[in-house]
Amino acid sequence: ILNVEQSPQSLHVQEGDSTNFTCSFPSSNFYALHWYRWETAKSPEALFVMTLNGDEKKKGRISATLNTKEGYSYLYIKGSQPEDSATYLCANNFNKFYFGSGTKLNVKP
Amino acid sequence: EAGVTQSPTHLIKTRGQQATLRCSPISGHTSVYWYQQALGLGLQFLLWYDEGEERNRGNFPPRFSGRQFPNYSSELNVNALELEDSALYLCASSLVNGPANTGELFFGEGSRLTVL
Repeated sequence: ILNVEQSPQSLHVQEGDSTNFTCSFPSSNFYALHWYRWETAKSPEALFVMTLNGDEKKKGRISATLNTKEGYSYLYIKGSQPEDSATYLCANNFNKFYFGSGTKLNVKP
Repeated sequence: EAGVTQSPTHLIKTRGQQATLRCSPISGHTSVYWYQQALGLGLQFLLWYDEGEERNRGNFPPRFSGRQFPNYSSELNVNALELEDSALYLCASSLVNGPANTGELFFGEGSRLTVL
């Protein structure tokens, strides 16, 4: 992996479903992994910044894990709500601050 | 506390012209990043400034340039505009910790450039 890759590209879930997304990055080129939420007509906002292998962070119903040895991070949303609908971006900060193309989440009421 | 501010909100130019976009970071932040989001694409890294110096740039031609002023505000210049330069340009600021930045980015609302 040369850069940051995110999957899936988009996701449609029902309110109450739990969901997760993946961010992959080059394990050899890593300093910090960031997750951001970008709602329509707003600016991206930081969710988590993780630097250590095995890091786990949580904010309300959203949590994230980090595996720097294999080069991936997971973002979990428990009991999705319509207000969680947004594009979720991850970024690998190594020399250049590269973002993945994002996972667009749509939560239907 | 004021967030990151960008101006103008919208800008319409014609091919071959020059565009200048401005960004004021959060007070106390020394780093400014510029990103381009063209239609259907993700955030593409353009430039990183810190303490008045260009620290790194993405894979963009030299007609994309900028600078950071002593008050840490920044300017992005795009010369010889092309149609494909039409995009949302986002600026973000952060505090730098050590040789690389682990601080989160705070984004402005963006400047939408349309090239006709």
